[in-house]
Amino acid sequence: DTGVSQDPRHKITKRGQNVTFRCDPISEHNRLYWYRQTLGQGPEFLTYFQNEAQLEKSRLLSDRFSAERPKGSFSTLEIQRTEQGDSAMYLCASSEQGAYYEQYFGPGTRLTVT
Amino acid sequence: QKEVEQNSGPLSVPEGAIASLNCTYSDRGSQSFFWYRQYSGKSPELIMFIYSNGDKEDGRFTAQLNKASQYVSLLIRDSQPSDSATYLCAVNKGANNLFFGTGTRLTVIP
Repeated sequence: DTGVSQDPRHKITKRGQNVTFRCDPISEHNRLYWYRQTLGQGPEFLTYFQNEAQLEKSRLLSDRFSAERPKGSFSTLEIQRTEQGDSAMYLCASSEQGAYYEQYFGPGTRLTVT
Repeated sequence: QKEVEQNSGPLSVPEGAIASLNCTYSDRGSQSFFWYRQYSGKSPELIMFIYSNGDKEDGRFTAQLNKASQYVSLLIRDSQPSDSATYLCAVNKGANNLFFGTGTRLTVIP
């Protein structure tokens, strides 16, 4: 069990550029979640997948954000036309389908928009 | 009203003491409750979860849940300097995503 992995770990981009992040969940987990965390705050939910289906999206997920999980394994989160307000830690978590859905987080991708 | 509220701290305790971290939640329909530890610059690490009233113990950690009072707590016995971190309380309302508090920063003084 290698845990949840995310790539890249850090990304610096200029305002207006597009960025894409990747998440590989724990292998037997069929649920995958994306959260965003800013300094001094707890993680905020963005979206979640069960297998390849995107089942829920937060109001935080503007039209510039899109997420995919095409084969029910890894997932990508793309941000188009980045803004300085997008600077945050983007966290991916995964869980088994079970009664309590304990979620395990990856190391995160820290995005800085200059 | 926030979904989950925590005292931001900082909470300072001497090494070897019991650290008590508290959390309240607003939705009575909340089903399961989680404590995560987050070191500075790192991602949250799951410590414990609880879903029924009462206490749940795991090593030096005890989670307590009181659904009538909508209150969750985490006790850390024999606190160590390595326990110094931010502790996040999270709630699952059955809608698959977690609602997090802003976290309580704990410092254990050697």
